[in-house]
Amino acid sequence: AQSVTQLGSHVSVSEGALVLLRCNYSSSVPPYLFWYVQYPNQGLQLLLKYTSAATLVKGINDFEAEFKKSETSFHLTKPSAHMSDAAEYFCAVRAYSSASKIIFGSGTRLSIRP
Amino acid sequence: DADVTQTPRNRITKTGKRIMLECSQTKGHDRMYWYRQDPGLGLRLIYYSFDVKDINKGEISDGYSVSRQAQAKFSLSLESAIPNQTALYFCATSETGTGKTDTQYFGPGTRLTVL
Repeated sequence: AQSVTQLGSHVSVSEGALVLLRCNYSSSVPPYLFWYVQYPNQGLQLLLKYTSAATLVKGINDFEAEFKKSETSFHLTKPSAHMSDAAEYFCAVRAYSSASKIIFGSGTRLSIRP
Repeated sequence: DADVTQTPRNRITKTGKRIMLECSQTKGHDRMYWYRQDPGLGLRLIYYSFDVKDINKGEISDGYSVSRQAQAKFSLSLESAIPNQTALYFCATSETGTGKTDTQYFGPGTRLTVL
């Protein structure tokens, strides 16, 4: 069965610093992977997704993620953090048993220090 | 107007009470989902529906039931609420079609507290 593990429930960076949120996946088949973001008091919205095309995926708000099969990783990065990036971020994988079922990680809360 | 709406946004109820959470969408999507979010556990799927006549259990369906009244409406019921059902509940939708089912669109959530 597919699963994702997010390393670190809380990450804090300074404004302007690099953002790195870690995600490792487990899958017996080539995975479809996602990053979703949840801003305070809102639902989740898709940030980016990997569907076996380019291994470097660009998303909204200058976020990007790189699929590394050898490391079973799909880490999310942003070169320069902005205060508005403060949110909870979820890594997710599509269940191979159903294209509509997405399995979410436990989430990483990103805080931005002024 | 929001594409996926949930009512109520907040609800406090007592143990043993029946409660219904409602979800409506104007996106025209066939597929709808109910999740619960608990701190440190991420989102877990309760039920999902591919169309009005197709309803499926998710990983944590015990204690919950659903009704798909129309393509645009999907309700979640707790027949007899218990305190460990206190959580944030999200409704989501997705399209049918190759490459389209992956992206889910979420409502703003309902915060439910069971005393």
